[in-house]
Amino acid sequence: TQLLEQSPQFLSIQEGENLTVYCNSSSVFSSLQWYRQEPGEGPVLLVTVVTGGEVKKLKRLTFQFGDARKDSSLHITAAQPGDTGLYLCARGGGGSNYKLTFGKGTLLTVNP
Amino acid sequence: DAGVTQSPTHLIKTRGQQVTLRCSPISGHKSVSWYQQVLGQGPQFIFQYYEKEERGRGNFPDRFSARQFPNYSSELNVNALLLGDSALYLCASSLTGRTEAFFGQGTRLTVV
Repeated sequence: TQLLEQSPQFLSIQEGENLTVYCNSSSVFSSLQWYRQEPGEGPVLLVTVVTGGEVKKLKRLTFQFGDARKDSSLHITAAQPGDTGLYLCARGGGGSNYKLTFGKGTLLTVNP
Repeated sequence: DAGVTQSPTHLIKTRGQQVTLRCSPISGHKSVSWYQQVLGQGPQFIFQYYEKEERGRGNFPDRFSARQFPNYSSELNVNALLLGDSALYLCASSLTGRTEAFFGQGTRLTVV
């Protein structure tokens, strides 16, 4: 059973547009991770958020952790074709990285 | 430095056969985890090993087994293959299993 709901499931946009993807759960996270997975590759960790209300920036990517630590969002500014990939959120079991539980992901396509 | 390496990269097997997948963790990492990712889903946890001991097991049948060797490399074995076992099998290594996980590129298994 997937405990993390990600939306939208698919997103296709033009280069230069902005976008936001979401990760929600009915339970509280001790921490949440965002990964990007490109075709034929394993997931690559982008960021870990731990504190409710936390905002982290990674170049054009902005990650936000909800105040109640039940939801998170990823905002991409001025998307580029290189941003294309599957964006996955994941929570660790027991507050650690042991037994990561992933959402189904958002498949993003950025068209040139 | 070499990342997590998995072999083979692709594999085709017939229903009922057995398969062994291999993983070499990043040098110095003592923990290896295995995940199954079917098309359209996020990775699902199968096993975690630390210092050659099984630390956790996901909701998979007994046809799935794994082990970790003294050099910390690992093998995942799947017996009596079913069509539904077709998936990308990912290996992740971390220092202790409770720190950041780094994924390999995966083994694409197709069961026909």
